Amino acid sequence: AQSVAQPEDQVNVAEGNPLTVKCTYSVSGNPYLFWYVQYPNRGLQFLLKYITGDNLVKGSYGFEAEFNKSQTSFHLKKPSALVSDSALYFCAVREGGSARQLTFGSGTQLTVLP
Amino acid sequence: GAGVSQSPSNKVTEKGKDVELRCDPISGHTALYWYRQSLGQGLEFLIYFQGNSAPDKSGLPSDRFSAERTGGSVSTLTIQRTQQEDSAVYLCASSSASGGAHEQFFGPGTRLTVL
Repeated sequence: AQSVAQPEDQVNVAEGNPLTVKCTYSVSGNPYLFWYVQYPNRGLQFLLKYITGDNLVKGSYGFEAEFNKSQTSFHLKKPSALVSDSALYFCAVREGGSARQLTFGSGTQLTVLP
Repeated sequence: GAGVSQSPSNKVTEKGKDVELRCDPISGHTALYWYRQSLGQGLEFLIYFQGNSAPDKSGLPSDRFSAERTGGSVSTLTIQRTQQEDSAVYLCASSSASGGAHEQFFGPGTRLTVL
């Protein structure tokens, strides 16, 4: 079975500071990992994904994520946070092979303070 | 280009009534998914369609829930005899293929409130 954990319900960061949103996963095979963002009253918007290869993945809006196989983590990062980055962030995993649906973490509310 | 669309955006119904939620996937996408987002439960997978294959219904919470996908495109999620615990945002997503690393594109959701 595949699972995802986002240990922080809420992350607050000052505008201009770097941000990190944490995610750890569990799958029995090779993972495909995703980050999505959800703004109020909107659907989920794809940010980036890890398939294979480079451990540092770059995505939309200046976000990046670092895949760490030994720590089974896929933390989302951004060097300089913007107030407009304030939203709900979801990490998701799909195991390569027979699994089709994404398994999502519980979400982390990011608030960037001006 | 057009994204995934869902209708209605909001639905308020009385306990015991049936509801139908509609999803129009991105044109050409063969895979379609339904998820439910509710407080305390996060995002839950409900059902998945891939082409003409039998759907994966493993996430449906009860037999009151059903879904169909006509002509490999539009999908309808039906909830019979709604209960208050069915209140949630129902999200539809599509992707160009199933499995692998294909990202899913989500619609804006239908917010269902059961009184």
